[in-house]
Amino acid sequence: KNQVEQSPQSLIILEGKNCTLQCNYTVSPFSNLRWYKQDTGRGPVSLTIMTFSENTKSNGRYTATLDADTKQSSLHITASQLSDSASYICVAQAASGTYKYIFGTGTRLKVLA
Amino acid sequence: DGGITQSPKYLFRKEGQNVTLSCEQNLNHDAMYWYRQDPGQGLRLIYYSQIVNDFQKGDIAEGYSVSREKKESFPLTVTSAQKNPTAFYLCASSPQENTEAFFGQGTRLTVV
Repeated sequence: KNQVEQSPQSLIILEGKNCTLQCNYTVSPFSNLRWYKQDTGRGPVSLTIMTFSENTKSNGRYTATLDADTKQSSLHITASQLSDSASYICVAQAASGTYKYIFGTGTRLKVLA
Repeated sequence: DGGITQSPKYLFRKEGQNVTLSCEQNLNHDAMYWYRQDPGQGLRLIYYSQIVNDFQKGDIAEGYSVSREKKESFPLTVTSAQKNPTAFYLCASSPQENTEAFFGQGTRLTVV
């Protein structure tokens, strides 16, 4: 069964600190993996996308890694800011079949001043 | 500005009523999708459309209906047959099937 699991479910950190969010996926055949940021009551916005041949991708203070062998991905946030408070959603996509985005349940991050 | 627009942002429905959620995009994307988001759950696909006048059921299509008469529009109707419609609804579009999806800002539907 295709699925995506994220951990932790929620996380609280102080402003300026770093944090890492985890994503494990079982999607086959695998095409790519994306991280989205979703502010409360808003639609998700794409942060990074990686294919199976890429193992790291950065977008400003956000760095995503991908290990296609272990089927794990992480999102590292450096020097967190209050505006980073949001839910972060990991999405894996199958290489075959239609419409197949598999969404994780997200990690809710709260950055405190 | 290019983008995907959902309206209304908040919607209240009485039990037994049908309501229609609007989704419009001016990105010239072929594929459009409707998702439902509930607390503690990942997004679940309701319907998707690859081209005009064609659409397919997703994982939780029961109680919903859609149409795709124009490329830029993909309205979702929540019918009275949907037993638990209170949720956050997200519309998305992508240039082609299985390419990056761009999301609207969502509609929060509440049954009163």
